[in-house]
Amino acid sequence: AQSVTQLDSQVPVFEEAPVELRCNYSSSVSVYLFWYVQYPNQGLQLLLKYLSGSTLVKGINGFEAEFNKSQTSFHLRKPSVHISDTAEYFCAVSESGGKLIFGQGTELSVKP
Amino acid sequence: GAVVSQHPSWVICKSGTSVKIECRSLDFQATTMFWYRQFPKQSLMLMATSNEGSKATYEQGVEKDKFLINHASLTLSTLTVTSAHPEDSSFYICSAGSQTSRIYNEQFFGPGTRLTVL
Repeated sequence: AQSVTQLDSQVPVFEEAPVELRCNYSSSVSVYLFWYVQYPNQGLQLLLKYLSGSTLVKGINGFEAEFNKSQTSFHLRKPSVHISDTAEYFCAVSESGGKLIFGQGTELSVKP
Repeated sequence: GAVVSQHPSWVICKSGTSVKIECRSLDFQATTMFWYRQFPKQSLMLMATSNEGSKATYEQGVEKDKFLINHASLTLSTLTVTSAHPEDSSFYICSAGSQTSRIYNEQFFGPGTRLTVL
């Protein structure tokens, strides 16, 4: 069975500092990987996805993630965060493009 | 493109009443729609998957007689919470997926519906 673990429930960081949000998954087959962002009382917005090909994926708002098959990880990074990046971030995995399994979420809090 | 809407965005109802939430794909045909439930400060939990024209597939532990899902067209799915109780209060989010090559393997999420049962 698939599962997703986001290793940090909360990540406080100062504005313009780099950030990494960690995500590990487990699956017995090839997977598709996603990062979503959720602002308060809103739905989810796709930041980026890995389906195949290059393991370094670039997304919106300056975010990128690297798929590491040997470590079963898909960590999200941004070199310089803004106050507006404060939100909840969810890592998700799908085996066949169907059902998504979400991690527990990481609350990113960017402080001035 | 690939916009999903939900209606209503929030609803307050009395215990024992039924509430219907609509999920629409505005600019694409959604062959599959998903319904999630999210409690405060928690992740999304998949409730059910529905394919157009067929019965929904419910996740383990989700009462199908309480959470009625209808996916009658390629652009509309509805979730009806029957005989709602305070413990059903939650944030309900739908998502839609398609088999078209452009957006295959991706789900597009609606903005969510906040249900409060008094």
